This record gives sequence, structure tokens and C-alpha cells, in this order.
Amino acid sequence: GIQVEQSPPDLILQEGANSTLRCNFSDSVNNLQWFHQNPWGQLINLFYIPSGTKQNGRLSATTVATERYSLLYISSSQTTDSGVYFCAVLSLIQGAQKLVFGQGTRLTINP
Amino acid sequence: DSGVTQTPKHLITATGQRVTLRCSPRSGDLSVYWYQQSLDQGLQFLIQYYNGEERAKGNILERFSAQQFPDLHSELNLSSLELGDSALYFCASAMGVNTEAFFGQGTRLTVV
Repeated sequence: GIQVEQSPPDLILQEGANSTLRCNFSDSVNNLQWFHQNPWGQLINLFYIPSGTKQNGRLSATTVATERYSLLYISSSQTTDSGVYFCAVLSLIQGAQKLVFGQGTRLTINP
Repeated sequence: DSGVTQTPKHLITATGQRVTLRCSPRSGDLSVYWYQQSLDQGLQFLIQYYNGEERAKGNILERFSAQQFPDLHSELNLSSLELGDSALYFCASAMGVNTEAFFGQGTRLTVV
């Protein structure tokens, strides 16, 4: 099945810093989503981005489907950005739809 | 609020017992997914339903079963519970095939 790898696994930054999180996937995908899991366990949708670039405030994402990777950029980090960031790709095989998750990047923003 | 409702939010039960987790998808969504997240682990895909039919199966144990009802809500049944089944169980819904998925708040199951 499709493999999703995220890097780095852990990232510790000071408030105000910028960061780039990467997601590589092993096969063609029909779609890609980025999620933030906050310290309370909630999974929050950040981007639905099969290709191209999107921006939402301090966050932006770029997916290059032909090269099988996606990047999540966080600028001017705040302590509330802490948590785990997951990339998930949609694998569609014979009508079976699987959203396959990477192992996540744990981001810690220190004040 | 994603619009996906999971109940209960927390559940504590003993080994050997059976529990049912419930998921109400967003209005209009036909697809429901179930995931398991053990402590400090990623999200493991369990099963997917589309408009009442099972469409995809992941690493779901034989002790676990699920269904999607005509009103599109879904239930995940976990039986003969073991300590290792303690985890956060998420439900997600999507409008159809190849559309954005939204997650509920999860049910935190603790088996003692």
C-alpha cells in the first residue's frame, strides 16, 4: 500500500520562528490533507490540497503531486501552534477509499 | 466544530467487556471512516463505509465490527476488550469519494 513519510519527526522552536514540515508519499494520490492535532487530541483540518499552493493566515501549503511531496509552512509561530501535524493522502483503489496518515511531526513552540 | 459528532467522549470499561462507539456524520456526508490512535501513535485506518456499504477495510481486528445505518450514522463495536485496545477512536466523514474528510472529537477508550 501507499507509504506516507513526514519529516522532521520532532521540531522545537521559539515563538516567532518559521518552520517547514514535509510530507513524502510513495505513489500517485487522489488528494492530500494536512491536519493539526492539538494537545486536547482534536484533529483540525488545515488544508485540502491535491496540488498547488494555498494560504490561510500564517499557514500555507504546497503540494507537488508529480514529485510526490507536500510542504506545510508555518510563519511567526505562536505557542498555540504546538501539537502534532499530520499529512494524510487519499488512496482510491477499486472504489475503496483510504485516507492514509503519516506518523506526524510533533511541533513544540516555546515562549 | 467539524460537524461530526462522536459519543461518548470518554469511556472506561473492564477487560473482556463490549462497547459501542457512535458517530453521526456531517449533514449530507455519505462516507464514514473509523480510525484508532494509540498513545503517541499515528492514526490507523480501521474501516470505511459509503452510503451504508462497507468499501474499505484496514487493520481491523476480528473482535471489532462496524456498520453504517440507513440514516448514515455509524457504530463501531469492540468486544472482548483487552488492555491494548485502550486508544482514541476517531470517526471522520466526507461527502463522497475523493472529497475532504472531517474528523469528530474522538472517543477516548480506557480498558482497565
